[in-house]
Amino acid sequence: SAVISQKPSRDICQRGTSLTIQCQVDSQVTMMFWYRQQPGQSLTLIATANQGSEATYESGFVIDKFPISRPNLTFSTLTVSNMSPEDSSIYLCSGGITRYEQYFGPGTRLTVT
Amino acid sequence: DAKTTQPPSMDCAEGRAANLPCNHSTISGNEYVYWYRQIHSQGPQYIIHGLKNNETNEMASLIITEDRKSSTLILPHATLRDTAVYYCIVRAPLSNFGNEKLTFGTGTRLTIIP
Repeated sequence: SAVISQKPSRDICQRGTSLTIQCQVDSQVTMMFWYRQQPGQSLTLIATANQGSEATYESGFVIDKFPISRPNLTFSTLTVSNMSPEDSSIYLCSGGITRYEQYFGPGTRLTVT
Repeated sequence: DAKTTQPPSMDCAEGRAANLPCNHSTISGNEYVYWYRQIHSQGPQYIIHGLKNNETNEMASLIITEDRKSSTLILPHATLRDTAVYYCIVRAPLSNFGNEKLTFGTGTRLTIIP
């Protein structure tokens, strides 16, 4: 297994500002992913964070709104840009530890006022 | 990814076996069946995965039908801490191409009754 940590665990932000969420894995992982979970909903994949290249975004998510970095095999960041109240969600990162197992961080609870 | 169908909710008495069904009739030959659960306010937790044989680990057992079109997750002695949303997902193994995504459905909300 692996331990995935996220910073911050929660934040309250003002409309129009940006927040960068950090994800750290305690071992090297091949794939890293970012998800969003809106209140009372299931998880929605935002993008796959590729090491050394641009992230691969899912339909409905764009790089200008959710820029992602992945400088190495254990670390990634997700920025939520120009936030609005609709961005209030839990943001989770995940790492593919083996070809079969994928583990999740505890999530970052974001509230936009 | 193949789609899965799960009942929206289930109850189980504490100490009894919880059997959570999942239908995945369009599963492809190289796709595995994965189970995750999400306890309130936490990130999803990996439980178990399997291809075609039954699997067991310290948390649960996974029974996959011979035609692979459905499966059952079994928690042998449910406790109150097993109350969570359980997700059944089918997906091919990860590769460097990144096409193998875990796509979450709505899952089954399992409530363990004291």
